[in-house]
Amino acid sequence: EPEVTQTPSHQVTQMGQEVILRCVPISNHLYFYWYRQILGQKVEFLVSFYNNEISEKSEIFDDQFSVERPDGSNFTLKIRSTKLEDSAMYFCASTNLNEQFFGPGTRLTVL
Amino acid sequence: EDQVTQSPEALRLQEGESSSLNCSYTVSGLRGLFWYRQDPGKGPEFLFTLYSAGEEKEKERLKATLTKKESFLHITAPKPEDSATYLCAVRDRDDKIIFGKGTRLHILP
Repeated sequence: EPEVTQTPSHQVTQMGQEVILRCVPISNHLYFYWYRQILGQKVEFLVSFYNNEISEKSEIFDDQFSVERPDGSNFTLKIRSTKLEDSAMYFCASTNLNEQFFGPGTRLTVL
Repeated sequence: EDQVTQSPEALRLQEGESSSLNCSYTVSGLRGLFWYRQDPGKGPEFLFTLYSAGEEKEKERLKATLTKKESFLHITAPKPEDSATYLCAVRDRDDKIIFGKGTRLHILP
């Protein structure tokens, strides 16, 4: 069964450093998403991506964040200068519009 | 402002004791309501998508229904392996997806 994969599973970084979270969506999907979930809180939408451009973004997705689909398979989330409050689980998802599949997540810890 | 409210926050049931979880929503131009199951430390697992009032979908012991203001996830004769957090989310006309806080379900053997 096809699945969304994410790497790394856990990333520890120092405040102010740049991090890149990677995702490989399901191959025939066209819509991709990034979400975050702070420990004990709800899943929060960050950004949706379609046809090689951002289709919608939330208030959380400020200038520190960027997304890219550098090749035909990877989908990345970059945080330019991490803050302590960026510590969370980051989930990638892809969809064929009817079903949305999530990856296992990357746990980001900012020290 | 788009909003999703799930109730109850937590629910403990005996094995075999059927119940329902509620998801109330206000959204500008509903383009889909989703139910997910999330186990601790894992990503949400897709269960259902509903698009219009009156629609129902079933999968094993779960059935999801939708009205213009809320959705229910009915669990029939649950088993301990159904224990998880159940998440509801809506997609609005701008393609944003808003999640509720979830219902933590615990099925006792």
